[in-house]
Amino acid sequence: DQQVKQNSPSLSVQEGRISILNCDYTNSMFDYFLWYKKYPAEGPTFLISISSIKDKNEDGRFTVFLNKSAKHLSLHIVPSQPGDSAVYFCAASAQNTGNQFYFGTGTSLTVIP
Amino acid sequence: GAVVSQHPSRVICKSGTSVKIECRSLDFQATTMFWYRQFPKQSLMLMATSNEGSKATYEQGVEKDKFLINHASLTLSTLTVTSAHPEDSSFYICSAQNTILSGANVLTFGAGSRLTVL
Repeated sequence: DQQVKQNSPSLSVQEGRISILNCDYTNSMFDYFLWYKKYPAEGPTFLISISSIKDKNEDGRFTVFLNKSAKHLSLHIVPSQPGDSAVYFCAASAQNTGNQFYFGTGTSLTVIP
Repeated sequence: GAVVSQHPSRVICKSGTSVKIECRSLDFQATTMFWYRQFPKQSLMLMATSNEGSKATYEQGVEKDKFLINHASLTLSTLTVTSAHPEDSSFYICSAQNTILSGANVLTFGAGSRLTVL
């Protein structure tokens, strides 16, 4: 049972434009969400997080939006850069499960120079 | 910053043998570490939560006798795949939370270990 879903396996964006990566979840108990970035042959690297008390969190070029009613979050990267090309995973956890995160299947982003 | 080292990065073994994968937090202490498995084009699947000094907590469907986890110190957790079979071939990743860094619900991941069972 996939509790966190990323329905777009891949995305291509022109350099300088906005990249929007989407993530949906089914468990209403999830209250903390993260985005990770993964390069080939490396472990995931933390990118940005958001808790359920917020609907937006911004860090430089990266902004995460959370829509609790729709159980949907998105990651916006603007402007996109070629170095952003990687696989992006969203992950969710519930307070009562400690730090047990459940991951989406990932979206492979390609930023075209 | 926080660094997690995972070893070996690649291992090839014969069917029926056991393989041990180590996960070390290099510059911080981690009372809790997590083990994940990733099949090609699939998400990271949480296998188990490894707690220092106590038994690991396994996710539903994960065989505890097959995947032995030991968390003997605050900086080391090991995953042993016992009597490995070709279907165990996968990418295994560990993660750790910095115990001292309070309020940070963020994990640091190892680079992963690619296991191939012939």
